[in-house]
Amino acid sequence: NAGVTQTPKFQVLKTGQSMTLQCAQDMNHNSMYWYRQDPGMGLRLIYYSASEGTTDKGEVPNGYNVSRLNKREFSLRLESAAPSQTSVYFCASSELSFYGYTFGSGTRLTVV
Amino acid sequence: EDKVVQSPLSLVVHEGDTVTLNCSYEVTNFRSLLWYKQEKKAPTFLFMLTSSGIEKKSGRLSSILDKKELFSILNITATQTGDSAVYLCAVTPQGAQKLVFGQGTRLTINP
Repeated sequence: NAGVTQTPKFQVLKTGQSMTLQCAQDMNHNSMYWYRQDPGMGLRLIYYSASEGTTDKGEVPNGYNVSRLNKREFSLRLESAAPSQTSVYFCASSELSFYGYTFGSGTRLTVV
Repeated sequence: EDKVVQSPLSLVVHEGDTVTLNCSYEVTNFRSLLWYKQEKKAPTFLFMLTSSGIEKKSGRLSSILDKKELFSILNITATQTGDSAVYLCAVTPQGAQKLVFGQGTRLTINP
């Protein structure tokens, strides 16, 4: 009963370093999402993929890129990390957003 | 721009109290409103509301939607320390494959 799996769970980066956050779901969902969560800000959408082969910007896409590798996997890349990207990142998937999301357990990223 | 505003942002009550959390929204062509509970990790689903005036209930938690006034409330009766969490409200615009979240309400239940 894996659901949505995110890796890594924790990461510390130096300013300017790059990294990729991985997300995989085993529920055959069409849509996948990347959100960031900051204190007092709720969850803000970075990018989403409504279906395999498509990606769209969300509310806060600057500084990030995504790849929908196949139906199961949706990765988030930080090319040159900045302290402002310190956050908790959640991946989610859904069949139809009408029915809400299944969330991964989150990645806590600190950029120093 | 679609917007969801929750109030209060933080609430501290004693065990056994009843609390009401508020969520107001402005969204293009509303489709649904969802409530989530977030403890230490990922949000977990509580309710989805699509029709005005119909209460959804699960144990001590209940929620109702008012589509005319563009808000929803989440009630928790006889609160317990395990209800301590951040409660998130989110809306789905019609035709959009995404949720727009509010800031969340941090609820703390003291014994």
